This record gives sequence, structure tokens and C-alpha cells, in this order.
Amino acid sequence: ETGVTQSPTHLIKTRGQQVTLRCSSQSGHNTVSWYQQALGQGPQFIFQYYREEENGRGNFPPRFSGLQFPNYSSELNVNALELDDSALYLCASSLDLLAGGLETQYFGPGTRLLVL
Amino acid sequence: DQQVKQNSPSLSVQEGRISILNCDYTNSMFDYFLWYKKYPAEGPTFLISISSIKDKNEDGRFTVFLNKSAKHLSLHIVPSQPGDSAVYFCAALGGNNDMRFGAGTRLTVKP
Repeated sequence: ETGVTQSPTHLIKTRGQQVTLRCSSQSGHNTVSWYQQALGQGPQFIFQYYREEENGRGNFPPRFSGLQFPNYSSELNVNALELDDSALYLCASSLDLLAGGLETQYFGPGTRLLVL
Repeated sequence: DQQVKQNSPSLSVQEGRISILNCDYTNSMFDYFLWYKKYPAEGPTFLISISSIKDKNEDGRFTVFLNKSAKHLSLHIVPSQPGDSAVYFCAALGGNNDMRFGAGTRLTVKP
């Protein structure tokens, strides 16, 4: 068990709505990354937060936004949902990646989002 | 653009034999490679990694080989065990903390 938790586990939304997904990091981890995993594909990097600041972003539009809180928990917000946003959303917490913390990236179980 | 590719969606091997999972990449700027294992309803878990300055890294039954000139890496599991049955993802890291994953290979180890 990694200690990374995500809520909710499943969610159904309709096109055009907004959604907020939550992630609670492993104790002691100050970096959180969010990934989108579509069916049959590998996880795709959305963005990373380090000490409450965005620290890298993948090829996702601005309607994907995030927050990291002082306790290093995090939120992923998606506005104006589209059908293609249906996917498993994974968060991963880690120690500072720049300090060689790659191997300490622990993934949560994910939130499965269905957009109708 | 799929910069990391796992061309075999599935692989089936007999218990005790070797499992070889392959991964190809296109971006020569990647300098760190990782393998993750994923069971159903769980997030991926780190398995083994290799830096681009090495060509081999071993950890127990798991060995990762890197061929930079061919932009190819492979994960060898020997001997394979039924508990190794899972989806295996290779991932590559370059700049911008952007970790690129392959689509995964589902390994089934038959008793």
C-alpha cells in the first residue's frame, strides 16, 4: 500500500460540466504529478506541482488546471468536459524529482471519469 | 505523438521461463527509463530503472537492458512466476519533468 489516495474512485459527468479530482500524497512527499490514462493507453503526463507551484506541464489545454495545498495534497480541475476526457486519472506523489526522487513516485489507484 | 512504444499488447509465458518485454523510443533526449507494473484497480508501481549512461541494470529476477543506438530497452524477468502477471509499462523521462509512458504490455504467466 503506497499511502497515495484519490477521491472519488468513480465519477460520471456530462459534457460541458466541470469536475474536481482530489489526491492525498504519501507522507513526506512534496511533489505531485497528474496523469490521464485513456483505455488501452499508457498514462499521459498532465502536469506536476512542487511546493504549491506548477513545475512542468504536458500537452493538455488550459481547461486542465491544478492546485497543490500547503499539506501537499492536490486537486485536478477540468472545465468544459468533453467526451474524450473519459479516462482514468492518476496522481503520483514523490520526493523532489530534481533530487533523484524518481523511484519514489508512488501512484494512487486513480479516479475513473466517464463523460456522457 | 507517441515517443515511447510498446508494440506487443500482450505476452504469455510458462512459469519458470523467461519473459522479455520490449520498448522503443524516438526521442534521443530521454535520459532515464523506468518500468512500472500495474495490477487491476491499483496504480502503477515502480519496478526497475536505468540511466542512459548504463546499458544494464539488474535487481533480483528483473534486468533492464538499454540499447541507446537502437533506442530500445527491454525488461527480462527470469524465472517468471504467476504473480508477475500484470500490465507492464515502460516510461522515459526527459526535460520538463514530462514522463512519457508506453501503452503497456499485458504479461500472463501460466502455472
